[in-house]
Amino acid sequence: KQEVTQIPAALSVPEGENLVLNCSFTDSAIYNLQWFRQDPGKGLTSLLLIQSSQREQTSGRLNASLDKSSGRSTLYIAASQPGDSATYLCAVSPLVGTGFQKLVFGTGTRLLVSP
Amino acid sequence: EPEVTQTPSHQVTQMGQEVILRCVPISNHLYFYWYRQILGQKVEFLVSFYNNEISEKSEIFDDQFSVERPDGSNFTLKIRSTKLEDSAMYFCASSRGNEQFFGPGTRLTVL
Repeated sequence: KQEVTQIPAALSVPEGENLVLNCSFTDSAIYNLQWFRQDPGKGLTSLLLIQSSQREQTSGRLNASLDKSSGRSTLYIAASQPGDSATYLCAVSPLVGTGFQKLVFGTGTRLLVSP
Repeated sequence: EPEVTQTPSHQVTQMGQEVILRCVPISNHLYFYWYRQILGQKVEFLVSFYNNEISEKSEIFDDQFSVERPDGSNFTLKIRSTKLEDSAMYFCASSRGNEQFFGPGTRLTVL
């Protein structure tokens, strides 16, 4: 059974710092990995999708990497801003059938960026 | 930009009552999903739906739950007889096959 773990559970940094969020998964047979942002009491906003054949994806100040064989992904946030404060969720799509099935989520990293 | 919408944003119901949660997926998407998040816990998969049938369901998705796509735009989750432990945030998602896009959620409170 696929398990997804995120470390750290919470992170507090001053504005302007670069930071790395970690995600690990137990089964390397995945179709893709997706990073989300969740604001308190709100829905999930997709940030980046990495296909299993890819090593990284970039969007603005965000860069996500994937090492499928070791079961790890990192989300790098450059020059953090207070508006980045949110919970960041990592989710993998297990390689079953077409792969267009469920996402298995981690518990998230709660990020606070202070001015 | 197209987005997934959900109604209502908050539903309060008595234990044993039926509830229907509604979602309008992004219009050209083919795959539809329901997830739930109990307060303070992980987001959990409930069910996926493709080509007018369930393609996968979790062990949470028992006989009390059902999904339907009654027309070309709506996607619904019905809970027949709600229990206290069904209290959670319910998220609908849709995709064209890869990236899943989530709605804002319906907070269900069972009293």
